[in-house]
Amino acid sequence: AQKVTQAQTEISVVEKEDVTLDCVYETRDTTYYLFWYKQPPSGELVFLIRRNSFDEQNEISGRYSWNFQKSTSSFNFTITASQVVDSAVYFCALSERNTGNQFYFGTGTSLTVIP
Amino acid sequence: KAGVTQTPRYLIKTRGQQVTLSCSPISGHRSVSWYQQTPGQGLQFLFEYFSETQRNKGNFPGRFSGRQFSNSRSEMNVSTLELGDSALYLCASSLGVVSTEAFFGQGTRLTVV
Repeated sequence: AQKVTQAQTEISVVEKEDVTLDCVYETRDTTYYLFWYKQPPSGELVFLIRRNSFDEQNEISGRYSWNFQKSTSSFNFTITASQVVDSAVYFCALSERNTGNQFYFGTGTSLTVIP
Repeated sequence: KAGVTQTPRYLIKTRGQQVTLSCSPISGHRSVSWYQQTPGQGLQFLFEYFSETQRNKGNFPGRFSGRQFSNSRSEMNVSTLELGDSALYLCASSLGVVSTEAFFGQGTRLTVV
């Protein structure tokens, strides 16, 4: 069965602090894809990153970085030097080779950055 | 490049009515997926269309249906609306068939009264 767990429901940090959002997934497929999306109050889901199951290299994009570890089935997301504009709900998602563009989403982590 | 366009943005309907939501994907994208987002159930997959064919369907009753046109635009229809259908309905546009990046529209907020 496919499942994505985001245990942190809400996180508050003070501006300029670093914050890590956790994501743990379950899948039986050997080929799968992991995603992070940001949902601001406007409602639109904004794509942040996609990783496939064969690429465990960590990735950094500006203040954002992602740590993918197959051994622990985790795909964590770190924001360095957080800013007020980072306040949003963040979703981790999983898709599998056999189910095309069907995404399984976690329940989301609401991040509030306090100025 | 235009993004994913969903219309209408807001909708209020009465129980028992039916509703049709529209989604225009990014130009060149042939896959359109629909999701329902509620506070209680989170984001749940409804169905995916690719080249006018339904490829996958989530665990929703038959009252939820969709279709895709030759220009890749998609509609979803909900018949005999129930209060529990109140949700944000999001459409996602993807270029390929296998787990490519999905780009979402701003959604249609449906309220059933």
